[in-house]
Amino acid sequence: GAGVSQSPRYKVAKRGQDVALRCDPISGHVSLFWYQQALGQGPEFLTYFQNEAQLDKSGLPSDRFFAERPEGSVSTLKIQRTQQEDSAVYLCASSLGRAGKGVNTEAFFGQGTRLTVV
Amino acid sequence: QQQVKQSPQSLIVQKGGISIINCAYENTAFDYFPWYQQFPGKGPALLIAIRPDVSEKKEGRFTISFNKSAKQFSLHIMDSQPGDSATYFCAANLDMEYGNKLVFGAGTILRVKS
Repeated sequence: GAGVSQSPRYKVAKRGQDVALRCDPISGHVSLFWYQQALGQGPEFLTYFQNEAQLDKSGLPSDRFFAERPEGSVSTLKIQRTQQEDSAVYLCASSLGRAGKGVNTEAFFGQGTRLTVV
Repeated sequence: QQQVKQSPQSLIVQKGGISIINCAYENTAFDYFPWYQQFPGKGPALLIAIRPDVSEKKEGRFTISFNKSAKQFSLHIMDSQPGDSATYFCAANLDMEYGNKLVFGAGTILRVKS
């Protein structure tokens, strides 16, 4: 597609429910990032993939959060036993390059999935 | 040390005026400083970016000023227009051996009055 696509756009979950958020990066993009954006705040880094390898998951807030990118393209962020504090917009971004030392390529963001836990 | 502090939280500017948003950081390992523009219901979109070896970068009505010694950078929007009304985020890139990540400021809500 032309840009990063995320689905669903909106998700309402009851507390304790499991949710899965999908990200379709721009075709051919090597790097994929997940960010969490709380209301009125800037995005905060969750995790990073280079192709299918999850190289950094230091931002995942708890072991209830799990991300995968099994074939190096589409990625899924799964949140188990959702809590109210998980309510936020979850943003996915991708970049063409193999992000690393001395290499900076633009990160393109999707529109995000707004998760509301009730 | 990985924080990026952004001010002001909100800003109202008259059409045709100059909008100025400031950011400060502590971590000298940051190596790239982008600004993102976000409209309601949309994801952040890259506006303009600068590397720390440059003191100023201009693209159209948008200018980044960078002060490496003070660890501060700012976005200037000249001739501000109502269509510029959005939330603006500064960010700093942290480059690591296996990849990189962006550290964002808290955002500035800009409203340009016509």
